[in-house]
Amino acid sequence: ETGVTQTPRHLVMGMTNKKSLKCEQHLGHNAMYWYKQSAKKPLELMFVYNFKEQTENNSVPSRFSPECPNSSHLFLHLHTLQPEDSALYLCASSQGELTGANVLTFGAGSRLTVL
Amino acid sequence: GQNIDQPTEMTATEGAIVQINCTYQTSGFNGLFWYQQHAGEAPTFLSYNVLDGLEEKGRFSSFLSRSKGYSYLLLKELQMKDSASYLCASLDSNYQLIWGAGTKLIIKP
Repeated sequence: ETGVTQTPRHLVMGMTNKKSLKCEQHLGHNAMYWYKQSAKKPLELMFVYNFKEQTENNSVPSRFSPECPNSSHLFLHLHTLQPEDSALYLCASSQGELTGANVLTFGAGSRLTVL
Repeated sequence: GQNIDQPTEMTATEGAIVQINCTYQTSGFNGLFWYQQHAGEAPTFLSYNVLDGLEEKGRFSSFLSRSKGYSYLLLKELQMKDSASYLCASLDSNYQLIWGAGTKLIIKP
């Protein structure tokens, strides 16, 4: 496989469930990102990992917990979510610091519905 | 504060030309990106402008005016497959991407 792969593509969970989103990139990139995409809103950056180290946490509630075991894999662990957390969660990667040469490559996203 | 403005939705006819505008106000500037996102798919990179002027890539062109904080994406010879959302994003002085809410482009036969 090539590019950025996200699983599952769709997830429905109750507010008391615990689930995880998985992202894998086969591009040899060093940085990985989680974004939240809600309808008619700008992309919201949640977390950034560079060389497996978390470099950004944009005031995300603790019910979202990221994990980056290596430069190719990124997880988003979910627990006790709220209905307003329903959104498309996009994973992305880049070679390094964002510049014109290093652009984001996105996965197709995981569509999350919280009941 | 930092802000990106782009129209929510536009409609155009197959074979025609459409221009999608984007204005930005960011802390510093390190370039302007356009991404295309088809429904249910990953956003994909279209263009990057850091210098003033027009850059052409086939049917798609992107323009930047740094003094006006303004960019546009020009799509020529529209095809049905161009129906998608187009995301504008500015790279600020800290190399953080500031995103617009996207423009949904509907192409009609």
